[in-house]
Amino acid sequence: EAGVTQSPTHLIKTRGQQATLRCSPISGHTSVYWYQQALGLGLQFLLWYDEGEERNRGNFPPRFSGRQFPNYSSELNVNALELEDSALYLCASSLGGGSYEQYFGPGTRLTVT
Amino acid sequence: GDSVTQMEGPVTLSEEAFLTINCTYTATGYPSLFWYVQYPGEGLQLLLKATKADDKGSNKGFEATYRKETTSFHLEKGSVQVSDSAVYFCALSKNGGNQFYFGTGTSLTVIP
Repeated sequence: EAGVTQSPTHLIKTRGQQATLRCSPISGHTSVYWYQQALGLGLQFLLWYDEGEERNRGNFPPRFSGRQFPNYSSELNVNALELEDSALYLCASSLGGGSYEQYFGPGTRLTVT
Repeated sequence: GDSVTQMEGPVTLSEEAFLTINCTYTATGYPSLFWYVQYPGEGLQLLLKATKADDKGSNKGFEATYRKETTSFHLEKGSVQVSDSAVYFCALSKNGGNQFYFGTGTSLTVIP
């Protein structure tokens, strides 16, 4: 069974640009979570989507947004990039509907110069 | 607010040494507790979990017991191997996965 996949692996942008990160969940999983893993800060929860709807949002500014498609894949958009947005962005999926276990993808390394 | 605090690393141990990584939590209600492991260059993998007080999660020789009285979920292994070198994250979940909190991670290096 294929795991959670993310693309691209690496992304280099300049300050002020927009970045789009993509995630495909495990087949059958309806929930997708996004996390930011910045150096020394652990994982910070960004967004949770389930059945196409945004269910919860972490303490991040509105320029972090996303969506979930009918096939349950998801996209994270970061507008007006700032240097401190440089981080590893991890996507996780779960069965949804109250499932506790999350399965993580390998991440997208975003570098803002 | 709810949070997870885990011991800072890095931790360096010799092969076959005993491992403890401390994790304490602050949460209202009845959270579920997890340990995740991140091997170099990979995403996080669920290592073990416990969903109620006094439950013991175990996997690959690792164990952790959900202690409500001390709000702790310490990770232990009796004899570590070089292949256990990774970053370990303690996490809690509430409200059916609606809220998920991770610790900052503890880097473990095991030397032969």
